[in-house]
Amino acid sequence: KAGVTQTPRYLIKTRGQQVTLSCSPISGHRSVSWYQQTPGQGLQFLFEYFSETQRNKGNFPGRFSGRQFSNSRSEMNVSTLELGDSALYLCASSLGQTSTDTQYFGPGTRLTVL
Amino acid sequence: QKEVEQNSGPLSVPEGAIASLNCTYSDRGSQSFFWYRQYSGKSPELIMFIYSNGDKEDGRFTAQLNKASQYVSLLIRDSQPSDSATYLCAARRGSTLGRLYFGRGTQLTVWP
Repeated sequence: KAGVTQTPRYLIKTRGQQVTLSCSPISGHRSVSWYQQTPGQGLQFLFEYFSETQRNKGNFPGRFSGRQFSNSRSEMNVSTLELGDSALYLCASSLGQTSTDTQYFGPGTRLTVL
Repeated sequence: QKEVEQNSGPLSVPEGAIASLNCTYSDRGSQSFFWYRQYSGKSPELIMFIYSNGDKEDGRFTAQLNKASQYVSLLIRDSQPSDSATYLCAARRGSTLGRLYFGRGTQLTVWP
């Protein structure tokens, strides 16, 4: 089974721009969760989509948004980029139906904001 | 208080020793717990999960859960230099299936 894929792997943007990141989950997984990882804050939860609906949301500003398509692929968008948005963005997929369902992470997208 | 706390380390052990990684959680509604390993520059990879009190063994790894004390640990037996990584503890509440609460991680170095 193919793992979680994320594109692009690396991005360099400037302040004020917007960016869209993509995540394709493991086949059969309906839940996609997004996390931001920085050295200072560790792994922080952004949001989770399950069957095209946002099911959980973390404490990030409205500049961070996402969506999920009918094939479970997910995108997240960050508008009006700030320097502090530089981070590794990770998506994780799971079946999303029980508390023991494991989340598998993709390789991440490294975003640098200049 | 953070949802999940880990001993910050870094932890350094010689090859062949037992490495002990600890984690506490604050929400008694947490139902399942996960250990991930993250090599520098890579994404987290799942080592194992546990949801029942007691021990769970998988090869050289043993996870321990004590819900009364709200304590989770990971033991790595016969540690190898290839085990050198950051170990992340995560908890999941039953009410938010798609969200894991992560600790800050413990950096482990196994020296030959």
